[in-house]
Amino acid sequence: DGGITQSPKYLFRKEGQNVTLSCEQNLNHDAMYWYRQDPGQGLRLIYYSQIVNDFQKGDIAEGYSVSREKKESFPLTVTSAQKNPTAFYLCASTSTGGSQPQHFGDGTRLSIL
Amino acid sequence: AQSVTQLGSHVSVSEGALVLLRCNYSSSVPPYLFWYVQYPNQGLQLLLKYTSAATLVKGINGFEAEFKKSETSFHLTKPSAHMSDAAEYFCAVSGRTGNQFYFGTGTSLTVIP
Repeated sequence: DGGITQSPKYLFRKEGQNVTLSCEQNLNHDAMYWYRQDPGQGLRLIYYSQIVNDFQKGDIAEGYSVSREKKESFPLTVTSAQKNPTAFYLCASTSTGGSQPQHFGDGTRLSIL
Repeated sequence: AQSVTQLGSHVSVSEGALVLLRCNYSSSVPPYLFWYVQYPNQGLQLLLKYTSAATLVKGINGFEAEFKKSETSFHLTKPSAHMSDAAEYFCAVSGRTGNQFYFGTGTSLTVIP
């Protein structure tokens, strides 16, 4: 079945460490997204990409970086510059055109050690 | 600019009672609207979507929503709540160009036995 796979499910980061969250989709979607979810704040957009080798900052991009070398993959790196990384991170994808819904992975929960 | 507002961050209903979750949108053009459900530690799952075909949209699990342009609303309803409906619900809007989605802050539904 087609879908979005996020890994790992749980991730722990030490002070000063960069960590990378994986997101892979086999839906043949052009657009991919990363959201951060904190209790009571809904989903906040970190980065999105509408085509390979191109991506745009969302509302809270500081302290994060992404790459889009393949259509299927959109990894997110949480850098040491992100001082409050503890959150639930969701990856989503959609085909081109606003009428199509976003499909979501099951998320990665990141905590600080 | 587009946005959605979900009235009521927490809603409690008795099992078997009507579920009504409110969503109002702001958009300069007719939007695409979506409702998602999220269970703990999982991603978002699409319940239903409005793409201008019919104003009353039926979704999964017995949910439906009605698009009311005059009220800029897209409220989610279910005639009879089930214990398994307890979850977080998100309303989202996207535009007719581009692939950006805007999510509400969510409504947590509690079903009382």
